[in-house]
Amino acid sequence: DAGVTQSPTHLIKTRGQHVTLRCSPISGHKSVSWYQQVLGQGPQFIFQYYEKEERGRGNFPDRFSARQFPNYSSELNVNALLLGDSALYLCASSLIGGRADEQYFGPGTRLTVT
Amino acid sequence: AQSVAQPEDQVNVAEGNPLTVKCTYSVSGNPYLFWYVQYPNRGLQFLLKYITGDNLVKGSYGFEAEFNKSQTSFHLKKPSALVSDSALYFCAVRDSGGYQKVTFGTGTKLQVIP
Repeated sequence: DAGVTQSPTHLIKTRGQHVTLRCSPISGHKSVSWYQQVLGQGPQFIFQYYEKEERGRGNFPDRFSARQFPNYSSELNVNALLLGDSALYLCASSLIGGRADEQYFGPGTRLTVT
Repeated sequence: AQSVAQPEDQVNVAEGNPLTVKCTYSVSGNPYLFWYVQYPNRGLQFLLKYITGDNLVKGSYGFEAEFNKSQTSFHLKKPSALVSDSALYFCAVRDSGGYQKVTFGTGTKLQVIP
C-alpha cells in the first residue's frame, strides 16, 4: 500500500506570495493533520481535518488555511508568505483522527521563502 | 495546556549497549503518549504508543517505553542499540479532553557509536 504522499517536494517562494501544499492520505484513512517543522524543532500542529470538517487548529495566524476533499486528500494554503514560514510542512493521516490513533507521516514539503 | 519535555538534545551510546531517551509530559487529563522517529530528510515514523493498561509498551524495531504516572514520564528504551537506530526521536502527547491537538517535544538525536 502507498503511504502518505505530499506534493511538491520542494518549493521556493517570495515574500508576499501564496502557496498551496497537497497531501494524499493512506487509503482508508479519513483524517489528515498538518504540521510545521522548523529546523531543530519538533513538529508544530497546524490543523486536523476529519470527514472534511476542521477538528482542531493550532496557534497559527489566519494566513494559514486548509481543506479536505471528498476523497480525503487535503490542501494547506498559506497567504502573504513571510520569511518565518520557511519550514518543512508535514502531513499526517490516521484512521479517524481519534485521540488514540497513531499518525502516519508523509515525507514533507520543504518550503523556502526568500 | 499540554506540553512535552525532552531534556537531552543528544544521546550517545555504544552499539550493543542499552539506550534510554527521556520524555516527560504535562496534560490536564489522562495522557495518550507516542514515540516517533525521524531519519534525515524523511517524515516521522510511528514507533509505539501508550493509551492505557500495562505500563511497559512494546513497539517497532525492538523499542519499548515505560509509562510512569507519578513521575509523568514516558522514556523510550531498547536493550541493545544498533548503529541503524541513529536518528531523531520525538515524544508526543495528546490529552483525553476535547481538543485534538498533538504536542511534540523538541526531539533527541540518538547517536549509536560502532
